[in-house]
Amino acid sequence: EAQVTQNPRYLITVTGKKLTVTCSQNMNHEYMSWYRQDPGLGLRQIYYSMNVEVTDKGDVPEGYKVSRKEKRNFPLILESPSPNQTSLYFCASRGGVKEKLFFGSGTQLSVL
Amino acid sequence: SQQGEEDPQALSIQEGENATMNCSYKTSINNLQWYRQNSGRGLVHLILIRSNEREKHSGRLRVTLDTSKKSSSLLITASRAADTASYFCATEASSYKLIFGSGTRLLVRP
Repeated sequence: EAQVTQNPRYLITVTGKKLTVTCSQNMNHEYMSWYRQDPGLGLRQIYYSMNVEVTDKGDVPEGYKVSRKEKRNFPLILESPSPNQTSLYFCASRGGVKEKLFFGSGTQLSVL
Repeated sequence: SQQGEEDPQALSIQEGENATMNCSYKTSINNLQWYRQNSGRGLVHLILIRSNEREKHSGRLRVTLDTSKKSSSLLITASRAADTASYFCATEASSYKLIFGSGTRLLVRP
């Protein structure tokens, strides 16, 4: 089954404690992206990757890092989380430009 | 910003009625996409309409695009309680950039 898998589904952490949210897709998609969703603000893009070893900033990249060492994986790293990063995070992938996005189930992050 | 903006922000209708949601955007686009989100879950793609298309259908969904007015509408006919969700439009202009609006929350009352 074609899918984007994110883990964990829920995460509670404390300020400053490094964390990684994993994302994996099994569709051989070149393009992967991370979004955060906050009430009233819709989805905002954090980072995206057009292929292995190719990443670029989205609209809200501050405080986040990503890596794309393999085509299927695109982890999101928060090196020093802060409370304003409390949000619902989504990973997504697609096969190319002008195609639809496939989304993961989301990660609800709370930073205390 | 070319962000799509949905209207209304919230919509409550009776089962069996039609639901119409609108999306407006600011700059020229290659395509516009509609997604659905059930409470806190991942978004699911519904339909994609290209800039040279005016109307598309998929089951009970009908999407229109008016590039001269920079607007799109999503019509759900004969709504069901299971259609209760948030609906988002996303516009794509340059390569790899899909920009989402803040969504319309639809409640279908049984």
